[in-house]
Amino acid sequence: DGGITQSPKYLFRKEGQNVTLSCEQNLNHDAMYWYRQDPGQGLRLIYYSQIVNDFQKGDIAEGYSVSREKKESFPLTVTSAQKNPTAFYLCASSAGPTHTVYGYTFGSGTRLTVV
Amino acid sequence: SQQGEEDPQALSIQEGENATMNCSYKTSINNLQWYRQNSGRGLVHLILIRSNEREKHSGRLRVTLDTSKKSSSLLITASRAADTASYFCATGANSKLTFGKGITLSVRP
Repeated sequence: DGGITQSPKYLFRKEGQNVTLSCEQNLNHDAMYWYRQDPGQGLRLIYYSQIVNDFQKGDIAEGYSVSREKKESFPLTVTSAQKNPTAFYLCASSAGPTHTVYGYTFGSGTRLTVV
Repeated sequence: SQQGEEDPQALSIQEGENATMNCSYKTSINNLQWYRQNSGRGLVHLILIRSNEREKHSGRLRVTLDTSKKSSSLLITASRAADTASYFCATGANSKLTFGKGITLSVRP
């Protein structure tokens, strides 16, 4: 079955550490997205990529980095510069960059906790 | 920046009743989409309505869009306990989707 796989499901980070969240899709989608979800805040866009080897900052990119070396993969690194990283992270993809006729397909999320 | 704002924030109904959720937004859009999220899970796409459409149906879902009022509504008819979830509207513009804060729907058996 086609879909998006996020791993790990739960992740614990110590202060000062960088951690990388994995997102892989086998839907042959061009565009991929990373969102952060906090209680009562809804979803906020971190980074997005419309094509391989290209990505753009979203609304809250500070303290995060991404790469898009393969169409299937869009990993997110939460760096030590992100002061409040505890949140639920969601990866999504869409068939076209303009999403005019396509909805997003979401992964199951990674819950990151700072310990 | 959050574009869509859902109303109400929480809704509790009895199984079999209809649930109506509203979404307002501020700027021009290409389309508006509704998603469902079960607790601790990813979002699931429910329905998309383009800016030149006024109403759309999908099974027990009916969505309307009024671009003059910059608002949309999602109606779930004959609700079931399994409809209990959070519902988000998302507005599409400039190659991005912007999500609201969501509505928590509880359907009592």
